[in-house]
Amino acid sequence: QSALTQPASVSGSPGQSITISCTGTSSDVGGYNYVSWYQQHPGKAPKFMIYDVSNRPSGVSNRFSGSKSGNTASLTISGLQAEDEADYYCSSYTSSGIYVFGTGTKVTVL
Amino acid sequence: EVQLVESGGGLVQPGGSLRLSCAASGFTFSRYWMSWIRQAPGKGLEWLANIKQDGSDMYYVDSVKGRFTISRDNAKNSLYLQMSSLRAEDTAVYYCASMTHSSGWYAFDYWGQGTPVTVSS
Repeated sequence: QSALTQPASVSGSPGQSITISCTGTSSDVGGYNYVSWYQQHPGKAPKFMIYDVSNRPSGVSNRFSGSKSGNTASLTISGLQAEDEADYYCSSYTSSGIYVFGTGTKVTVL
Repeated sequence: EVQLVESGGGLVQPGGSLRLSCAASGFTFSRYWMSWIRQAPGKGLEWLANIKQDGSDMYYVDSVKGRFTISRDNAKNSLYLQMSSLRAEDTAVYYCASMTHSSGWYAFDYWGQGTPVTVSS
């Protein structure tokens, strides 16, 4: 099972919106609405941000939103803030019954 | 408050074994699937394995199948990862994570702080 493909880096200025893509196959992202997203600051454990493609857990800012089209899922951060600078990972359930993470995207706030 | 606390990491020689533990509190551990996830230094996250509520079903990523065994003890609210035939490429921080109803069941909502494992001679 190969890792899902994410851009290595995405950047934006404060207040702007950015979108991180997560591309898989019909056996994972495209086949199930079980895509989730995680934020990880340096030296910290990942934080759960989005589940089931577009649902936000309690306590997560509504500046974070998720979507999916075909085999590609996306995470959009609107109103970019300095504290959003972190690594972001997508994950998907797969037809093998296992899970796969994306390659990770470093978000830089300019 | 949900807490997951991993332990058991350390330095081990190639070919050696190690058993990681994850102590859970603040939620009904026996009701949920649990997973192990790792992160090699400077690399991304890699899902390793998960285990059903009663321990009757487990799944593994190919890279650890046959070498790692996930288990749980619901009476002790604990998750385990028995690792054997360790290789240098198994060097990573190992996290346990829960998969509760809060995550829609198919995501990892609570994470421990991680325990580092170094495989080196």
